[in-house]
Amino acid sequence: SQTIHQWPATLVQPVGSPLSLECTVEGTSNPNLYWYRQAAGRGLQLLFYSVGIGQISSEVPQNLSASRPQDRQFILSSKKLLLSDSGFYLCAWSMDSNQPQHFGDGTRLSIL
Amino acid sequence: EDKVVQSPLSLVVHEGDTVTLNCSYEVTNFRSLLWYKQEKKAPTFLFMLTSSGIEKKSGRLSSILDKKELFSILNITATQTGDSAIYLCAEETSGSRLTFGEGTQLTVNP
Repeated sequence: SQTIHQWPATLVQPVGSPLSLECTVEGTSNPNLYWYRQAAGRGLQLLFYSVGIGQISSEVPQNLSASRPQDRQFILSSKKLLLSDSGFYLCAWSMDSNQPQHFGDGTRLSIL
Repeated sequence: EDKVVQSPLSLVVHEGDTVTLNCSYEVTNFRSLLWYKQEKKAPTFLFMLTSSGIEKKSGRLSSILDKKELFSILNITATQTGDSAIYLCAEETSGSRLTFGEGTQLTVNP
């Protein structure tokens, strides 16, 4: 069966520091991968999605970037974090457009 | 970007009550409507609806889609304290993108 892993679970970073959040999927190949941000425990906002290695689509302009160096690995990065980058970051995968997305346990990021 | 609106935003009920959660969406590039339950961490998938008028059931939960009126409802019968969670509705549009509503915070008291 397929599983998705995100780490770290929580992270506290100072303003201006870099960021790297990692997400990996096991038990499948060539999944669609997604990064979301959830503010205040409410709706999720899509940040990036990828349909293959090296293919990244950005949904909103921001201080973050994403990369997919391997088929089942999706990384969310920033060179310099802002206070507004605080939030709950969720990674998700799906096999194709006719299948639901499944989420990892998320990373709670606090910027000080 | 299509907009998804959920109501109510929060709901407090007693165990055994039946609840109905609402979700309306826009239709620009509609592919499907999904419901998720989020307790503490990962949203967990409940239903994926693509056809109008066909009810999907899973135990005490059920959901239906109305593509003419552009809404979906999620029903929970005989609620239990374990049903307490945020229920998220999302519209899938072209490119497999999900647009989420703000969620309904359901609290079931014993």
